[in-house]
Amino acid sequence: ETGVTQTPRHLVMGMTNKKSLKCEQHLGHNAMYWYKQSAKKPLELMFVYSLEERVENNSVPSRFSPECPNSSHLFLHLHTLQPEDSALYLCASSQEIGGDSPLHFGNGTRLTVT
Amino acid sequence: AQKVTQAQTEISVVEKEDVTLDCVYETRDTTYYLFWYKQPPSGELVFLIRRNSFDEQNEISGRYSWNFQKSTSSFNFTITASQVVDSAVYFCALSEFAGANSKLTFGKGITLSVRP
Repeated sequence: ETGVTQTPRHLVMGMTNKKSLKCEQHLGHNAMYWYKQSAKKPLELMFVYSLEERVENNSVPSRFSPECPNSSHLFLHLHTLQPEDSALYLCASSQEIGGDSPLHFGNGTRLTVT
Repeated sequence: AQKVTQAQTEISVVEKEDVTLDCVYETRDTTYYLFWYKQPPSGELVFLIRRNSFDEQNEISGRYSWNFQKSTSSFNFTITASQVVDSAVYFCALSEFAGANSKLTFGKGITLSVRP
């Protein structure tokens, strides 16, 4: 069983749809993250939560809305997306927020916006 | 500002060849952490190794070895006797210090293809 589970694995949505990505970690970690991975680009950090509190928002458009109801679950709510938002969205967790804590990633959600 | 450069973008080798993936970093901090991650076709990034800036000892884990050299700001990764299962994208990453404000910077990744 993977420590970090993401659903769905694939998602196709129109620009007017509303959908949510879900992430669950079974590692007892205190920090959770959303990353965006686009083709030919470095991994982009989107949001960071520590103990359910958002500690970082890297100038992400408001059409992406994160939610962290508890330290094990993280959501990314999507609405009115653009085709350039098509990418692999990766969730990760770590024991703490800190330079020496390695990240544990989920398999990602492959999002296609049509 | 911290930066990670993985100059190689794609490498293709034949099975059983040795291959070295290069990573060069920039930081102004004296305390920092370096990581390597593997991303197989399944998508998830898998943590391989962490090294702190005060530990320059090289590390070997099975067919994998890492060479950390502060003098050249490099943290290179060598796979010995490569196998098809090693085909993946490999990311080097740098985090400048521990604490709530630390940021993890990834390189662009190196796509390794191991042919049978």
